[in-house]
Amino acid sequence: DTGVSQNPRHKITKRGQNVTFRCDPISEHNRLYWYRQTLGQGPEFLTYFQNEAQLEKSRLLSDRFSAERPKGSFSTLEIQRTEQGDSAMYLCASSPTGERYGYTFGSGTRLTVV
Amino acid sequence: AQKVTQAQTEISVVEKEDVTLDCVYETRDTTYYLFWYKQPPSGELVFLIRRNSFDEQNEISGRYSWNFQKSTSSFNFTITASQVVDSAVYFCALSKKGNQFYFGTGTSLTVIP
Repeated sequence: DTGVSQNPRHKITKRGQNVTFRCDPISEHNRLYWYRQTLGQGPEFLTYFQNEAQLEKSRLLSDRFSAERPKGSFSTLEIQRTEQGDSAMYLCASSPTGERYGYTFGSGTRLTVV
Repeated sequence: AQKVTQAQTEISVVEKEDVTLDCVYETRDTTYYLFWYKQPPSGELVFLIRRNSFDEQNEISGRYSWNFQKSTSSFNFTITASQVVDSAVYFCALSKKGNQFYFGTGTSLTVIP
């Protein structure tokens, strides 16, 4: 296992288009998280899954955002009708269950909305 | 509410100097976890250390050391004999339940050769 994998690494889209990102976590990790990081800021929590169940969503996750983890393995994050304010690095992380574990992060998907 | 403050936005040091990165946190919980992550220019966040709220022992790992003081709600990170490869953005984070991390705004460290 080579860690958390995110695709694509970069995405440029026109405002109003829909985009979808994919995250493949470490296989034995049952928790999966999505974070968003803008320039000069720390990552901000968006949502997390325990296996296939989405257990928590941030208020940052507007109705235009949807995340899925259909079989408890990979996850997708879709943004509909993108806006320029959506431009950011979208980070995925995974961990075993338990608050004492740190995350393993992927390299992120950098979204630019033009 | 949970909050992490990293007051130092940018730090520059000359190679081989020691440098301390400050982290102050706020939480009302008695059980929590603190973390440090490194984000090199490549962008991937790299886990450095975890500390739980019941363990105030300082920790040393090679050139890295961490000073956790509950009395001042601080979890500071020191790099001894800094190297150019230490140049990165460093984030302190707080986790209450493990399902959500609260990150500080990061400290950008530049080590000048």
